[in-house]
Amino acid sequence: DTGVSQDPRHKITKRGQNVTFRCDPISEHNRLYWYRQTLGQGPEFLTYFQNEAQLEKSRLLSDRFSAERPKGSFSTLEIQRTEQGDSAMYLCASSLAGLASANEQYFGPGTRLTVT
Amino acid sequence: AQSVAQPEDQVNVAEGNPLTVKCTYSVSGNPYLFWYVQYPNRGLQFLLKYITGDNLVKGSYGFEAEFNKSQTSFHLKKPSALVSDSALYFCAVRDRRAGGFKTIFGAGTRLFVKA
Repeated sequence: DTGVSQDPRHKITKRGQNVTFRCDPISEHNRLYWYRQTLGQGPEFLTYFQNEAQLEKSRLLSDRFSAERPKGSFSTLEIQRTEQGDSAMYLCASSLAGLASANEQYFGPGTRLTVT
Repeated sequence: AQSVAQPEDQVNVAEGNPLTVKCTYSVSGNPYLFWYVQYPNRGLQFLLKYITGDNLVKGSYGFEAEFNKSQTSFHLKKPSALVSDSALYFCAVRDRRAGGFKTIFGAGTRLFVKA
């Protein structure tokens, strides 16, 4: 399968614990995005990478959230000191270079986080 | 600020009938517009996009969408609905100004096609 993959698919954690999610984009895509989706809502933009550079971050991304893409390939999203409000589906997407703003994104299946 | 509105939480259509899923947007510049579909237990899939040119855009699975600049709308349409079209549909907008990679999604419209 050459699509976007995310790991794990599900994560249950206790409040206060740290969690890390991984995203592997489509190999030739140099742009990578993280979104958060809660029930009944569309995906909310969190952050964006072009190669290894993090170029844009949403105000939603508090200090407890950090994302990396160290070699311009896979990316990780870490949430420290999780709170119940962090419970959501975390989506990763990637896109081609070129006329970048116009390029559609390819989404992974998401990681569902439940904070108890 | 950019925003997307999908005024209907759910649209019900009989199989074989035409369908429309509505979307209006607000951006400060000129937009790129997208439709994505989400099937149960699957990731979002790209359907179609408007960049420039012809206001009627054709996409996957027989869907099309019409860009209307004066009404700031980008409604999704299909001439004849299938039961398999039942899914959650998201409209999305991106400001085409340089560096504008942030995509804003609507809240989604659930399409239910009855046999």
